[in-house]
Amino acid sequence: EAGVTQFPSHSVIEKGQTVTLRCDPISGHDNLYWYRRVMGKEIKFLLHFVKESKQDESGMPNNRFLAERTGGTYSTLKVQPAELEDSGVYFCASSQERGRPQGSAAFFGQGTRLTVV
Amino acid sequence: AQSVTQLGSHVSVSEGALVLLRCNYSSSVPPYLFWYVQYPNQGLQLLLKYTSAATLVKGINGFEAEFKKSETSFHLTKPSAHMSDAAEYFCAVTTLNSGNTPLVFGKGTRLSVIA
Repeated sequence: EAGVTQFPSHSVIEKGQTVTLRCDPISGHDNLYWYRRVMGKEIKFLLHFVKESKQDESGMPNNRFLAERTGGTYSTLKVQPAELEDSGVYFCASSQERGRPQGSAAFFGQGTRLTVV
Repeated sequence: AQSVTQLGSHVSVSEGALVLLRCNYSSSVPPYLFWYVQYPNQGLQLLLKYTSAATLVKGINGFEAEFKKSETSFHLTKPSAHMSDAAEYFCAVTTLNSGNTPLVFGKGTRLSVIA
């Protein structure tokens, strides 16, 4: 069974450009999470989808970030326009368990390393 | 609100020595605690989790952690380090709540194993 896959693995863009990150969760997983790790800091929650609906987007930094999950399958995270402080590693995770905290113990992708120059 | 503190951003041990990675948490409600590992160029992998059952939790690759409520700790240990254990380790917390509440992570501890 394929795990959580993220594309691209690395992206280097200039300040002001747009970047779209993609996450393909494990097939059948309703829960999809985005996290981000800025260099030297902790991994922080961005948002949580249940199927195609945003369950919690309290961690989204600002309105330059837009996440979608059309059809409840893969998800995209778009940053437009990118700023220097957006650099970091963006992780996606998915899980099937509902209604229990164990569901938070999700399967993680390898991350997308975003560098804004 | 919850938080996690991992003491030591970098820990170095000799091969065969005890591994001890420290994690202290803060939570106003009973926590669920996790340890994840990230090997180079890979994603986060769940090592073990505490979910209010046994306080001593055994995970993969010989790791275990003990939940100590009185000390608000969930330290990760392994009796004998192997070279393949070199990685970054993250402690995380969430709480018993409806829905799948997100994880709150510590800053991570990078483990080096010296031959």
